[in-house]
Amino acid sequence: ETGVTQTPRHLVMGMTNKKSLKCEQHLGHNAMYWYKQSAKKPLELMFVYNFKEQTENNSVPSRFSPECPNSSHLFLHLHTLQPEDSALYLCASSQDIRYDIWRPGTEAFFGQGTRLTVV
Amino acid sequence: SQELEQSPQSLIVQEGKNLTINCTSSKTLYGLYWYKQKYGEGLIFLMMLQKGGEEKSHEKITAKLDEKKQQSSLHITASQPSHAGIYLCGADLRDDKIIFGKGTRLHILP
Repeated sequence: ETGVTQTPRHLVMGMTNKKSLKCEQHLGHNAMYWYKQSAKKPLELMFVYNFKEQTENNSVPSRFSPECPNSSHLFLHLHTLQPEDSALYLCASSQDIRYDIWRPGTEAFFGQGTRLTVV
Repeated sequence: SQELEQSPQSLIVQEGKNLTINCTSSKTLYGLYWYKQKYGEGLIFLMMLQKGGEEKSHEKITAKLDEKKQQSSLHITASQPSHAGIYLCGADLRDDKIIFGKGTRLHILP
């Protein structure tokens, strides 16, 4: 039990479908993140939320739409995806966002991920 | 080119043997995280290193950040099957973004 729960664990969707990924953290953290992990590529940061406010959008296509209604929940809404969007999507949270100071509390805790397949 | 290089990309080790994984940057590392990932699952935080020369241990896993803060090594002593997985290093090289390496896949042979 990592304290960060993602649902669903697996998702298969067509290119015309609309679906949402859900992430919930039970750690009392203030920051939440979405990452994409594709085969043979480094982990890619997609979005960062700090105290429910989006602080980072790492040039992610608009077919990915994040939502953070409160500090404990994070959603990733998906629509008209492409097959190349198939990947493992990981949610993470941390107590704080690290700025120029590295300190305990800035390490991220990850969920188990959602394996997304776009057909 | 990859800003954070991990080596080796893949490693097969006999159970009980020691091993080392490296994470190298062309720029100064202001801090570095080590994570472990079981195949197809989330990342588990192992350690965070902040200062040059710092060394931390967690059970049989030891990680060090070199004095020049451009390389970190992760060493596993007397490897066990439970150590198998993907080890990723993450670091800040610019702005406020954490960059991850591609990971090192570790297989332990019984």
